[in-house]
Formats: sequence, C-alpha cells, structure tokens
Amino acid sequence: DAKTTQPPSMDCAEGRAANLPCNHSTISGNEYVYWYRQIHSQGPQYIIHGLKNNETNEMASLIITEDRKSSTLILPHATLRDTAVYYCIVLNSGGSNYKLTFGKGTLLTVNP
Amino acid sequence: ETGVTQSPTHLIKTRGQQVTLRCSSQSGHNTVSWYQQALGQGPQFIFQYYREEENGRGNFPPRFSGLQFPNYSSELNVNALELDDSALYLCASSLRDWGLGYTFGSGTRLTVV
Repeated sequence: DAKTTQPPSMDCAEGRAANLPCNHSTISGNEYVYWYRQIHSQGPQYIIHGLKNNETNEMASLIITEDRKSSTLILPHATLRDTAVYYCIVLNSGGSNYKLTFGKGTLLTVNP
Repeated sequence: ETGVTQSPTHLIKTRGQQVTLRCSSQSGHNTVSWYQQALGQGPQFIFQYYREEENGRGNFPPRFSGLQFPNYSSELNVNALELDDSALYLCASSLRDWGLGYTFGSGTRLTVV
C-alpha cells in the first residue's frame, strides 16, 4: 500500500472549514484514499473514501487531485467535537487482506 | 444496529502472563480485524479473521493468536506478556466488501507490569 504524509497538527476556529491535506504521491491506480478519525479514548471512526472523483457525505467532503497524488478532507463547519486525530490511508482494492495501515495522522484542534 | 463491543475495557497483567480480549462484531459484519495502538502512535494491524480463519497477519509474533466464532465474534490471545505489549487493542468489524468501511470498538487498554 502506498505511503501517506500528513502534517502532524492543525488548528481551526469553530464554525470555519477545516481543510486537512494528505500527500500520497506513490498511489497506484487501484488504490483508494480513506479517511478515519480518532477522538481521544475512542476507536477510529470511518469518515469517507474515494478513488478518483470528489466525494461528499454527511460528515465531510473529499477532494482528490486529478493526478491522485494528494487529497484534502474538508469539514465544512468544524465544531469542538471534531477535535481528533485524522488519518489518511491508502488501501488496495485488490487481494483478500484489507488491512488499514495507519500513520501518525494529523491532530486537528478546533478552538472556540 | 449495534456497534462493535470489546471487553474488558481495561486490564492489568503481569509480565509472563497470558491474556484474552474479546470482541463482538457489528450486526451483519462477517470479518474481524485486530489492531494494537501504542501511546502516541497510529493503530498497527495484528491480523484479520474471515469465516473463522486467519486472513492476513501483520508483523506480530506467534504469541499473538486469535479466534473467530460462528457468530463472527472474536478473541485475541497474547501469551508470555511483555512490557511492550502495553497498548490499546482495537477490534474492527466489516463486511467482506471492504468498501463499506470498518467499524471499530472503543478498545481494551492493556497494561503489563
């Protein structure tokens, strides 16, 4: 699975959009980009995933560049409860072992 | 719809002992994965079970073993505990179709003294 690079930490004001970048320059054609987050003392929570097209759900939007070498997770109106570590993961769609390879992620702190 | 439940939530063991952690998967999910998360690190994949058989393993020694039962619940067993085994152990369930995402439990905090 391709490696990802994320900034270790980011701050965001409550009510503003939080834009979390992820670099995955070695991503291959059949690899998806997944985002999970982990709030303190809880297990990781699935947010969104995508292959080529931009995706949106009730939690967030995922913008993937045309060359697929980077992506941005957007939380449109961040709240204090969005403070968490956000993990960008690249996952191969083939094979039978669907393990998630977590890095250290980005600690997003939403400030009042 | 129930989520993933893990037991116990906290556990203290002595070096050299054995431990069993339990996981009940989300209703309808047939695949269970286990992860170890050391303090300040991201979760690390231990192994995955599908249809009661191990279906992939991370870089963990054989003293880490598991079981999956017909109702898709699972156990993680660790023998000969070492101090470095102190961590949060996370269970995640999913359908065989990975695209639907994994549902994680809140974990078991294991402390080895």
